[in-house]
Order: sequence, then structure tokens, then C-alpha cells
Amino acid sequence: QSALTQPASVSGSPGQSITISCLGSSSDIGSYNVVSWYQHHPGKAPKVIIYEVTKRPSGVSNRFSASKSGNTASLTISGLQAEDEADYYCCSFVTGNTYVFGIGTTVTVL
Amino acid sequence: EVQLVESGGGLVQTGGSLRLSCAASGFTFSSYWMHWVRQAPGKGLVWVSRIETDGPYRSYADSVKGRFTISRDNAKNTLYLQMDSLRAEDTGFYYCSRDLIGPDDSWGQGTLVTVSS
Repeated sequence: QSALTQPASVSGSPGQSITISCLGSSSDIGSYNVVSWYQHHPGKAPKVIIYEVTKRPSGVSNRFSASKSGNTASLTISGLQAEDEADYYCCSFVTGNTYVFGIGTTVTVL
Repeated sequence: EVQLVESGGGLVQTGGSLRLSCAASGFTFSSYWMHWVRQAPGKGLVWVSRIETDGPYRSYADSVKGRFTISRDNAKNTLYLQMDSLRAEDTGFYYCSRDLIGPDDSWGQGTLVTVSS
């Protein structure tokens, strides 16, 4: 199972919005509404910010939103803040009872 | 408070074995599927293995199938990963996760495994 495709890096100025794409296939994102997004600050535990394609866990800022179309999932961060600088990963359930992560996207706040 | 604490990492030679543990607290461990995820130095997250609540149903990434074994002891609230025939490419941080990609998703801080010749 190959990793889901994400842009290596995305940047934006404070207050701007950015979108991270996550391209999969009909064996994962395209067939299941079981896609999550993670925020990972180096040295810390990854934190789920979106689950089941669009849902936010309690305590996660509503500046994070997500969607899915076909084999592609997307994460949008609105009102970009310095604290949003981190690595972001998508993850999907895969046919055959396995899971696959994206390659990861480094978000830089300019 | 949900806590997942990994241990058992360390330096091991190529072809050697290690057993990782993940001690869980703050929730009903036996109610959740558990996972192992790893991250090689400078690389991204990679799913390794999953075990369902009572233990019989397990799945593995192709890269570790036949070499790694996931297990759990619900009486001890502990998840395990037995790693045999270790390779250099198995080097990295290993995280345990509760309910990966689910609404109760939670991770530990990780334990570092280094495989060297």
C-alpha cells in the first residue's frame, strides 16, 4: 500500500487560509468515509484534528475544516496562526483491514 | 485523563528482537481497538498493526507481516508489539494509538527503536 499523496509543504501568512490535499485511490479514500487528519509537532504525540472526513473532536479549533471528493480529501486551515506550524498527515482506512497515512505536509507560517 | 505510555525501545542489532509495551490508563482499555504506528527519522507516519478488542483479529502492514506480532493483555491494560528479524528500515519512533482515525483517537509519546549492524 503506497502512502497517500500530499504536498510536501504549504505556507501562508498569519490570518490567511491554506488547503492541504490528500490523494488516494478507490481502495481507500474513494471507498470509505473513514479519513482523519493529524497535526504533529516534532517531539510530541500526533493529535487528531479531523475524523470521519469532516468531524472535529471536542477542543479542536473550528479554524480546521475538511472535505472529500472522490479519491481526494482536503484539510483547510483558516485564520492561520503561528501555532499552526506543524506537520499534517491524512490517514485512511484501506480495503483489507489496513490503514495508510499520507506522506505528510509541513505547514509554515510566514 | 487518557494516558498511553510506550516502553521497550532501544538499540538492537540487525536480525535481533525487541518487545515494545504500551501501558494504558484513564479509559476502559478492553473496549478499544489498538494500533502501532511508526515514524522513521525525518520521514512520515506509517501504520504498522492493529488488534481488535479481544485479541483474535489482527492486521499488519506488508512491510512487517511475518516478523512483527501485536498482542494485548486486557487484564494488565497493556498493548505489545513483538518485533523479530529486525532490519535497519525498522528504525524509528513507535507510537501506540487508541481508536486510530476514530472519534476517541489518542496517541502516546512514542519509544525509539534503533536497528544497527
